[in-house]
Amino acid sequence: GAVVSQHPSWVICKSGTSVKIECRSLDFQATTMFWYRQFPKQSLMLMATSNEGSKATYEQGVEKDKFLINHASLTLSTLTVTSAHPEDSSFYICSAPAGSETQYFGPGTRLLVL
Amino acid sequence: AQSVTQLDSHVSVSEGTPVLLRCNYSSSYSPSLFWYVQHPNKGLQLLLKYTSAATLVKGINGFEAEFKKSETSFHLTKPSAHMSDAAEYFCVVSEGSARQLTFGSGTQLTVLP
Repeated sequence: GAVVSQHPSWVICKSGTSVKIECRSLDFQATTMFWYRQFPKQSLMLMATSNEGSKATYEQGVEKDKFLINHASLTLSTLTVTSAHPEDSSFYICSAPAGSETQYFGPGTRLLVL
Repeated sequence: AQSVTQLDSHVSVSEGTPVLLRCNYSSSYSPSLFWYVQHPNKGLQLLLKYTSAATLVKGINGFEAEFKKSETSFHLTKPSAHMSDAAEYFCVVSEGSARQLTFGSGTQLTVLP
């Protein structure tokens, strides 16, 4: 099946710094990618839809100035958590649709902000 | 608007016994339904999907699910649990082109030896 990768797989940073997470579709092109956040023992919540060549669409309650999304090519979307704080610590997962019916998920990036 | 409810947050079964994970959905249109599995600290893996074809869907690792429109249900079953099945399971619904997914709250499956 289609493969989606994420980098890094985990990151620890100090409060106030920015962290960039990459999401790549390895063997297919994705004009759209999705970013999810998963807190411990909770389900995945959609944060934003990343669109190649245009602005991302953010879900209600997600700060667009804090979570910067760039979809620079058909295989790469990046999520930058700016001025990270401990409450941003979470598991961030991206996905990309391959075909019309199925989405493939990346392995996730665990962020810990100290 | 679409939504999905997983009726059990935790299910515990003995190895070799059947598994039943329950899911009910709400959708304004003909939905696509999915079951994903997440092992600890891993990404999500697609188990199976329903997209308006056969109502009984067979997936990987011996799992299957039946779409019942009259009951708005899409329960996941497996005849015989294996230790490796212990994980978190998510029922997911999508309308239209399956590009925006709504996740259930998840069911943690424990398999006892």
